[in-house]
Amino acid sequence: GNSVTQMEGPVTLSEEAFLTINCTYTATGYPSLFWYVQYPGEGLQLLLKATKADDKGSNKGFEATYRKETTSFHLEKGSVQVSDSAVYFCALSARTGGFKTIFGAGTRLFVKA
Amino acid sequence: GAVVSQHPSRVICKSGTSVKIECRSLDFQATTMFWYRQFPKQSLMLMATSNEGSKATYEQGVEKDKFLINHASLTLSTLTVTSAHPEDSSFYICSARPDRGDNSPLHFGNGTRLTVT
Repeated sequence: GNSVTQMEGPVTLSEEAFLTINCTYTATGYPSLFWYVQYPGEGLQLLLKATKADDKGSNKGFEATYRKETTSFHLEKGSVQVSDSAVYFCALSARTGGFKTIFGAGTRLFVKA
Repeated sequence: GAVVSQHPSRVICKSGTSVKIECRSLDFQATTMFWYRQFPKQSLMLMATSNEGSKATYEQGVEKDKFLINHASLTLSTLTVTSAHPEDSSFYICSARPDRGDNSPLHFGNGTRLTVT
């Protein structure tokens, strides 16, 4: 079946550091890929998405590129802020999975001032 | 933007009682809603797909009689945890797709923290 694997946390960074959270997926066909973010005390919300190979999703300084050759969708940000502290979930949705959204385990990010 | 409202945000109940959780789409119609369960430090596990006007579709391993789902209107789905036990304590989250397209992003409620004593 379809699945998502992302790096375990927590990840602790200082403000203005570079962030990478790795995400790889297994799916037949051509899934859509997502990053969701859960800020403390809030529900999940979409951060960015990509629907086909080589697409780059971007939002709030975060980026991720859909790499079909490596089945990856790594999340990056050049300079993190304290307000980026949250849990980040990589996810996919595909026709082969009945369009159910499958989530990775989540990576908690702490950014220190 | 599209809003999914979930109520209550927290509930504590005694073992053996039932608890109902409501999920509403406030500014869009949702023929399908999704119920997830989130364990501490773990990912979201899809429990079931709620279908307006028909039976819910449950994921493998999820007890239909334990987790009753009703989707009576285009804006409301409910999850009832029946005869709750401490092992049912968890964080339950509902979601829906406001945009057309089976691969469109999900919008989530803020979740319900259930504690069974």
